[in-house]
Amino acid sequence: DAGVIQSPRHEVTEMGQEVTLRCKPISGHDYLFWYRQTMMRGLELLIYFNNNVPIDDSGMPEDRFSAKMPNASFSTLKIQPSEPRDSAVYFCAGNRGDTEAFFGQGTRLTVV
Amino acid sequence: AQSVTQLGSHVSVSEGALVLLRCNYSSSVPPYLFWYVQYPNQGLQLLLKYTSAATLVKGINGFEAEFKKSETSFHLTKPSAHMSDAAEYFCAVSDTGRRALTFGSGTRLQVQP
Repeated sequence: DAGVIQSPRHEVTEMGQEVTLRCKPISGHDYLFWYRQTMMRGLELLIYFNNNVPIDDSGMPEDRFSAKMPNASFSTLKIQPSEPRDSAVYFCAGNRGDTEAFFGQGTRLTVV
Repeated sequence: AQSVTQLGSHVSVSEGALVLLRCNYSSSVPPYLFWYVQYPNQGLQLLLKYTSAATLVKGINGFEAEFKKSETSFHLTKPSAHMSDAAEYFCAVSDTGRRALTFGSGTRLQVQP
């Protein structure tokens, strides 16, 4: 298995632009999580899905952030419009039941 | 609500010395506890996990951790540090009701030659 695949690995965009981060989870994983990592706030949960249904989006910072999971093999995190304070590393992770979460390599987002 | 406290944002040890990284948790229900390691520009990799079986958990790369309910602790240890252990280590908690991980702030381990 190729593991959790995130794309792009790096994204540099201008303030005000729309950014879409993508995640392909491991086949068979029924939970999918989006985390954000910054120096100031550490690793924080943004949203998670179970069987493609959003369960908890209380960590999504603002309405500018949205996430979808149209099927079991794909999820997106969109920021529109982007702001410099959104600069961070965004991780996608997944698991099945009570197993540990497997993380992707992350997308490093820089908003200038 | 769950929370994790990692004491010491930076720990420095000599190669061959004992590694001890501290983690205390708070959870209103029986927790699942994890230690993850992150190397520069990489994702998080699981070192070990506690899910209510044995209280002493052995993980990869010679690491182990002991779940102590009375102390609400889950400290990570390794008898002899290796240069390749230099990385950032995160303790995390979840439970059967809330599958998402709550992370500590991380401890950066430096290994001196």
